[in-house]
Amino acid sequence: QVQLQESGPGLVKPSETLSLICSVSGGSISSSYWSWIRQPPGKGLEWIGYLYDRRTINYNPSLKSRVTMSLDTSENQFSLKLTSVTAADTAVYYCARMDRLYFFDYWGQGTLVTVSS
Amino acid sequence: SYELTQPPSVSVSPGQTASITCSGDKLGDKFASWYQRKPGQSPVLVIYRDTKRPSGIPERFSGSNSGNTATLTISGTQAVDEADYFCQVWDSDSYILFGGGTKLTVL
Repeated sequence: QVQLQESGPGLVKPSETLSLICSVSGGSISSSYWSWIRQPPGKGLEWIGYLYDRRTINYNPSLKSRVTMSLDTSENQFSLKLTSVTAADTAVYYCARMDRLYFFDYWGQGTLVTVSS
Repeated sequence: SYELTQPPSVSVSPGQTASITCSGDKLGDKFASWYQRKPGQSPVLVIYRDTKRPSGIPERFSGSNSGNTATLTISGTQAVDEADYFCQVWDSDSYILFGGGTKLTVL
């Protein structure tokens, strides 16, 4: 059973960089697609991006200029960096495994990140 | 850009059938997935590829997708089914999209 766990600061200052890590257990991070998804308070889910390896990475066009995702196969982790954050980036951030047919079958528990000075 | 529209809320009596819709232009040409999210919990996949149920999901959950509308149907709705439900698709231009979510209330 694949399990995912997000970790990172719960509070980020405006204009700084949000950094999160997703640790994967119960399976190898290789040969699967991995994704970040967020849900701002009172709003719906928003896909941030997915990656498979260094060459196969896709980002939400609305966030592309500020997002970087990367894979660490030695640690069985993947990460998210979101630059120049504002209050609008306050959300619960989830990491998830994405099937090749573009649905999400395993999710982390989510972590709340608040952008505030 | 592509958009998915869901009703904000649906109410159903216990034991009755709940239908939650998801609308989008030519949605029937795409594969829809559905997720259940209860308060304080992470989303759970309940339907993928329009009609398929992951292992462990009760048979009372079913899905369909045709024309401009995908529908999640819960037959014999139970109190434990009260949750938010989100539809999701992949679009070649917009990549991965979620609907705004529907709050299912079991009265």
